[in-house]
Amino acid sequence: RKEVEQDPGPFNVPEGATVAFNCTYSNSASQSFFWYRQDCRKEPKLLMSVYSSGNEDGRFTAQLNRASQYISLLIRDSKLSDSATYLCVVKAPKRSGAGSYQLTFGKGTKLSVIP
Amino acid sequence: ETGVTQSPTHLIKTRGQQVTLRCSSQSGHNTVSWYQQALGQGPQFIFQYYREEENGRGNFPPRFSGLQFPNYSSELNVNALELDDSALYLCASSFNAYEQYFGPGTRLTVT
Repeated sequence: RKEVEQDPGPFNVPEGATVAFNCTYSNSASQSFFWYRQDCRKEPKLLMSVYSSGNEDGRFTAQLNRASQYISLLIRDSKLSDSATYLCVVKAPKRSGAGSYQLTFGKGTKLSVIP
Repeated sequence: ETGVTQSPTHLIKTRGQQVTLRCSSQSGHNTVSWYQQALGQGPQFIFQYYREEENGRGNFPPRFSGLQFPNYSSELNVNALELDDSALYLCASSFNAYEQYFGPGTRLTVT
């Protein structure tokens, strides 16, 4: 099982639609979770951290289910500018070295919002 | 903008050569992480530096090495370049290794 797994898409949705991305992770010791967006040939940009109780930022809602080792991102009222690849990121301690940890990225889910 | 800068933006090297990539972290950040991103893939963790010491390493061979300086800027060195090293190299800075902010990356082509 891959450490962080995402549906690669692409998701092609009309403007105004609601779209949900899912991500699963394999390391039960994972501590922190993030969603990043990456535009074509650009660097990843932090979209939001994911908190245990779930959190919302405008049209974006992130949820975490530790029991199922599952993270989700919901985008409401999609805009053309939301077109990008969305990366699920998990932070977990490494076996070697106290205080050492690693961020693992999923391969990303590509979203295209169509006029 | 994140305030994280990287140089150079593009680089072409031949197989067997050595390369040094540079990263300046965001003001107030003390941790720098390096990633390799091949086309169509997510970033792969190379290593991380915290207060000038390596604090975590991914599955990359020893020919990938790094440094962090007292001002928290960092270098990534790759020796004996291989064709498969062609990728986008991303540097990310953070405070105490929490939320990471990426620089624009260096696109390395090995021929």
